[in-house]
Formats: sequence, C-alpha cells, structure tokens
Amino acid sequence: QQPVQSPQAVILREGEDAVINCSSSKALYSVHWYRQKHGEAPVFLMILLKGGEQKGHEKISASFNEKKQQSSLYLTASQLSYSGTYFCGTERSSGGTSYGKLTFGQGTILTVHP
Amino acid sequence: SAVISQKPSRDICQRGTSLTIQCQVDSQVTMMFWYRQQPGQSLTLIATANQGSEATYESGFVIDKFPISRPNLTFSTLTVSNMSPEDSSIYLCSVALAVRTPDYSSYGYTFGSGTRLTVV
Repeated sequence: QQPVQSPQAVILREGEDAVINCSSSKALYSVHWYRQKHGEAPVFLMILLKGGEQKGHEKISASFNEKKQQSSLYLTASQLSYSGTYFCGTERSSGGTSYGKLTFGQGTILTVHP
Repeated sequence: SAVISQKPSRDICQRGTSLTIQCQVDSQVTMMFWYRQQPGQSLTLIATANQGSEATYESGFVIDKFPISRPNLTFSTLTVSNMSPEDSSIYLCSVALAVRTPDYSSYGYTFGSGTRLTVV
C-alpha cells in the first residue's frame, strides 16, 4: 500500500524551512527519502531504520517514528538547489525481515524561489 | 558509489512492437528492481530480478507483458511487449548499494538514468 505524503506541493523563498511528511498504514522496516529533479532519476538522500532514529547531513534531516509509522523530512535554510520532487520510499517489515523493495509515496513538489 | 548504465535513454515505438531495456551495473548486486514512472506520477515497482531465479512481479504486472532476464550479477533486461500507448512511461532500473557519508554507512537505492518510452 502506497505511503501518503503531505503536503503535495510547497513553495518557498531561499532561506525558508520546510517539512515533508510520509505516513504508512503498514508496519515499516525502513523509510527512504529521494529527490528527483525534472528529467532526471531519483537520487538517494537518506535511509532511516526502525528504532526512531533521526539522521541528517548539512541542512536536510529526517526522523522516523516507528510506532506511528511516520517519517518527516526537514529542509532548513532552503537553497535553490533543493527544488525538485521529494519521494519517501517505504520498506515493509514482516517478523523483522525487510522485503527489500520500496513502495513510493506520491511525491511532494518543492519549489524554491530566489 | 556504483554506476548504472541504462539504455536506450529514450525511444518512440509503434504499437504492437516490443522494446528491450538494458541495465548494466559496474558492481555485482543480488537484486535488481524495475520501476515504471508515468508522467508526473510516483514510481511503481514492476518486478524484482534475482540472478538465477525467476523474477518476482508485483500485482498488476505479468511476465508475458514484461519479461525480465537476469543472466548475471551485473546485468538485467526488461522487455515491454506488445506495446500500446498506455505503456508510454519512464522505466527505471534500480539496485541497493552501500552508501557512505562522513557520518554513517548505510544503503540506498541507486537508479539508472531511465528510459523514456513513447508508444504511438
């Protein structure tokens, strides 16, 4: 079942912050975040494994609430280069075993203006 | 990080014909995945291709329509058979590879550059 992302679109000015949410109705083993620019393949940003960890690099970070099966991606002090469509991808868990395949959310279009 | 070469990058095909898409990885991987992304949409998993066994297809996708080969650990092909305009889409292969940053070592899925297919 496809995870649900919100919001569907975000428009920012440079330097502003944004949060993108990803929610699943199924138990998850991990959550991935990807960014896709127009006409290009998705690019891996980070993975969060169950355990409620939070990861980040530079000004992009994410959290994973295993109990709620929710993940959030935080973009701070946005830059023009952050523009693109962000997808969460979820790996389901079954008895603690990952299926090894991703189900992607519908995407969030992020536009950063000067 | 590994490099995935996917070809063709784009093609325009007549309905009723077939197109084979190739995906070459510069390192050995156990599982390769094939996705479809329709214009403006999310990515939908078509099938998982394991070397030495039959591909595993997701609901809504069948082997007769999307036959997959996986002859070795670095290569896979996806064929789109008996094409119709509804098959117009971007097809991407993907593999799970280790990702190393200064902060942590984990894995992520790397995608090929995609094949943009238009069926007329």
